[in-house]
Amino acid sequence: DVKVTQSSRYLVKRTGEKVFLECVQDMDHENMFWYRQDPGLGLRLIYFSYDVKMKEKGDIPEGYSVSREKKERFSLILESASTNQTSMYLCASSTPAPNEQFFGPGTRLTVL
Amino acid sequence: ELKVEQNPLFLSMQEGKNYTIYCNYSTTSDRLYWYRQDPGKSLESLFVLLSNGAVKQEGRLMASLDTKARLSTLHITAAVHDLSATYFCAVDMTSGSRLTFGEGTQLTVNP
Repeated sequence: DVKVTQSSRYLVKRTGEKVFLECVQDMDHENMFWYRQDPGLGLRLIYFSYDVKMKEKGDIPEGYSVSREKKERFSLILESASTNQTSMYLCASSTPAPNEQFFGPGTRLTVL
Repeated sequence: ELKVEQNPLFLSMQEGKNYTIYCNYSTTSDRLYWYRQDPGKSLESLFVLLSNGAVKQEGRLMASLDTKARLSTLHITAAVHDLSATYFCAVDMTSGSRLTFGEGTQLTVNP
C-alpha cells in the first residue's frame, strides 16, 4: 500500500514563527503536492514538485516555500506564520501516469 | 482555465435509495479521479477513470466517464449510512500534471 505520512496531525504556532511541515512517501513517486483545505474554499494547491530540487507554484504560493532535497520528502515552510494560514494542510504524491494522487493524513495547523 | 463543477453540493438521502452525483469539466481530458473524505480526515482515492466509456464499481458505488460530454457520474445504489462523506472529483488535463478538484459533494445518508 502507498503510504504518505505527515510529521504532525495537529500543530499550534504563534504569529511570526517559522513553521516546517514535513511529508514523506514510501512509493518512489516522482510527483508531490501540498494543498490547504478550508471550509467553503475546497482544496487549493500551494506548491508541487515533479522531481528532486524541482518546484512549481500552485494557486496560492504567497507566504509559503517548499524544499525537496530527496525524492521521498517534500517540506512546506511558512517563513513567518500568520493567523490566515490557520488551515488543514494535505500532502499528496503520485506517479506521472496515472496521476492518481495519494494523500497523507493531514496536519491541522492553528496560528495564534 | 480548467473548471470542474460538481452537483449537487449537498445531498441528503435515505438509506436504501439510489442517487447520482455529477461532475462536469470544461476542457478536454480523459483522466478523471474520484475521492472520498470523511469529516476531519484526509482524502482517499476511490476510482481512476482513464478513457472514454470507462466504468468502475466498488460495492455500492459506480463511477463512469463520458469524455465527449465532459461528464463523470458517481452512482450510489441502495445507500447505507457508512457512505456519508464528502466526495470529490478531480480532472487531469495534462498527463502527470496537477489535478483540478471539484468543490465536493457532501453526502448524508439518513436511517
